[in-house]
Amino acid sequence: DGGITQSPKYLFRKEGQNVTLSCEQNLNHDAMYWYRQDPGQGLRLIYYSQIVNDFQKGDIAEGYSVSREKKESFPLTVTSAQKNPTAFYLCASSRLAGYYEQYFGPGTRLTVT
Amino acid sequence: KNEVEQSPQNLTAQEGEFITINCSYSVGISALHWLQQHPGGGIVSLFMLSSGKKKHGRLIATINIQEKHSSLHITASHPRDSAVYICALDAQGGSEKLVFGKGTKLTVNP
Repeated sequence: DGGITQSPKYLFRKEGQNVTLSCEQNLNHDAMYWYRQDPGQGLRLIYYSQIVNDFQKGDIAEGYSVSREKKESFPLTVTSAQKNPTAFYLCASSRLAGYYEQYFGPGTRLTVT
Repeated sequence: KNEVEQSPQNLTAQEGEFITINCSYSVGISALHWLQQHPGGGIVSLFMLSSGKKKHGRLIATINIQEKHSSLHITASHPRDSAVYICALDAQGGSEKLVFGKGTKLTVNP
């Protein structure tokens, strides 16, 4: 079945460590996105990519990095520079950026202590 | 002022009731999305609309472009409809980025 997978569902890290969240899609979508969700707030865009080997910063990119070496994969690294990394992270994809609905993965809940 | 405002923030209903969730926005849009987020966290796209009305099962979404307002209706609500419903905008011009509302938490009691 086509869809988006994120792993792991729950992730725990110590402060000061970098951590990479996985996102894979087999929908043949060109565009992929990373969002962060905090309690009481709307989803906020971290990074997005419209094509392989290209990506753009979203509204809250500081402390995060991404890569898009394959169309199917868009991993997100939460670096030690991110001041408040504990959050729920959602990956999404769409056929093209804009005008098309986005399909979301199940999310990864990251806790940093 | 937020570009997207949803109301109410929280809504509790009894099974069988008709539900309305509202979304108002202040920018020109090319499309508006309604999303559903279940307690587990996953998000499902319910509707994408740019005019008029769409229906899927017990769910109906309407949009009034002139008034910059959209509503999501649920008929004959059921406890499995309990979720957070999120309104999101595709800004005019085909922006790559969606602008999200904060969501409406719906609880339907049996």
